[in-house]
Amino acid sequence: DSGVTQTPKHLITATGQRVTLRCSPRSGDLSVYWYQQSLDQGLQFLIQYYNGEERAKGNILERFSAQQFPDLHSELNLSSLELGDSALYFCASSYQGQGNEQFFGPGTRLTVL
Amino acid sequence: GQQVMQIPQYQHVQEGEDFTTYCNSSTTLSNIQWYKQRPGGHPVFLIQLVKSGEVKKQKRLTFQFGEAKKNSSLHITATQTTDVGTYFCAGTLYNFNKFYFGSGTKLNVKP
Repeated sequence: DSGVTQTPKHLITATGQRVTLRCSPRSGDLSVYWYQQSLDQGLQFLIQYYNGEERAKGNILERFSAQQFPDLHSELNLSSLELGDSALYFCASSYQGQGNEQFFGPGTRLTVL
Repeated sequence: GQQVMQIPQYQHVQEGEDFTTYCNSSTTLSNIQWYKQRPGGHPVFLIQLVKSGEVKKQKRLTFQFGEAKKNSSLHITATQTTDVGTYFCAGTLYNFNKFYFGSGTKLNVKP
């Protein structure tokens, strides 16, 4: 158990819909990262937050947005969903920035029908 | 384009054989991390290398960081079925504060 929690575990929705994925980092970690992993693919970095502020941005679509709240939990919002958005979404946390070990949550499996 | 390249994409070995995966960047890296993802699981941190030419060992695993800090390798001696999974490298680009995961090497070990 990494100490990072993600909800929900599974999510099935239809094209055009909007969903919110939630992540609670390990106690004491200030950075939260979001990744997308399509079937048998690598990890695509989406975005990083540090202590409530956006720190780094990867290949995140305009239909996707994220935020980190004062209690350091984070949410990833995916809107106007397309079939191709079906993937495993991981959240990871680290104590500080990108030079630190990242602890990954169990992931949320999103299926868009 | 892909900032951190990893090869091979797949590797099938017989139990007891050695295995190596390579990670290459066109840009100098501040550090490199290695992660392992078991089938159906999430990535788990293995190690971080920071110094030029650094070599670290964890039991049967040997990690190297190149002298120019642009490449790295993970070598597993005498693989076991428990080594099955995908191995990812992840590097922070020096002076850019950007972090990239390699595409991963999927290792299958036949008993």
